Amino acid sequence: KAGVTQTPRYLIKTRGQQVTLSCSPISGHRSVSWYQQTPGQGLQFLFEYFSETQRNKGNFPGRFSGRQFSNSRSEMNVSTLELGDSALYLCASSLDGTGRAPEYFGPGTRLLVL
Amino acid sequence: AQKITQTQPGMFVQEKEAVTLDCTYDTSDQSYGLFWYKQPSSGEMIFLIYQGSYDEQNATEGRYSLNFQKARKSANLVISASQLGDSAMYFCAMRLHGSSNTGKLIFGQGTTLQVKP
Repeated sequence: KAGVTQTPRYLIKTRGQQVTLSCSPISGHRSVSWYQQTPGQGLQFLFEYFSETQRNKGNFPGRFSGRQFSNSRSEMNVSTLELGDSALYLCASSLDGTGRAPEYFGPGTRLLVL
Repeated sequence: AQKITQTQPGMFVQEKEAVTLDCTYDTSDQSYGLFWYKQPSSGEMIFLIYQGSYDEQNATEGRYSLNFQKARKSANLVISASQLGDSAMYFCAMRLHGSSNTGKLIFGQGTTLQVKP
């Protein structure tokens, strides 16, 4: 069974631009979560989607948004990029979103904002 | 608030020896899961092992075992017979069970493990 895939793997943007990251979960998984990882803040939860609905959201500004499609694929969007948005963005999927199943992560998207 | 603490920023271990990575957690909830992930320099987070708060036996997955001491709120990872490929960052994480918290992993700061040949 294929794992979680994320595209693109690497991205360079300039301040003020916007970016869209994509995540395809493991087949059959309905819950997708997004995390931001930086050296200073560590791993921080962005949001979780389950059956196309945002179920949980972390403490990030409204510039960060996401959505989930009927096939469970998810996208996250960051508008008006800031230098501090440079990070590794990790997507994770789990089977049923009960909180009792492991989250399996993708390889991540490394975003550099210049 | 929930919190994960990993007090060892860096660890060294000789190849083929066992190593224990420490993790303590803080929560007032009774139902939760504890996870360990490995992150090599490539960045991908690799799931290693899971322990539920109501599981009576310590979880084991191959060379990985989780030493779960609920009263002490600790969930240490034990890696037996270390291999060079075990060199990576290791994260302990917790997730509360319940609809309002589902899908939200809380991570510790991580421990960098280096295996010496």
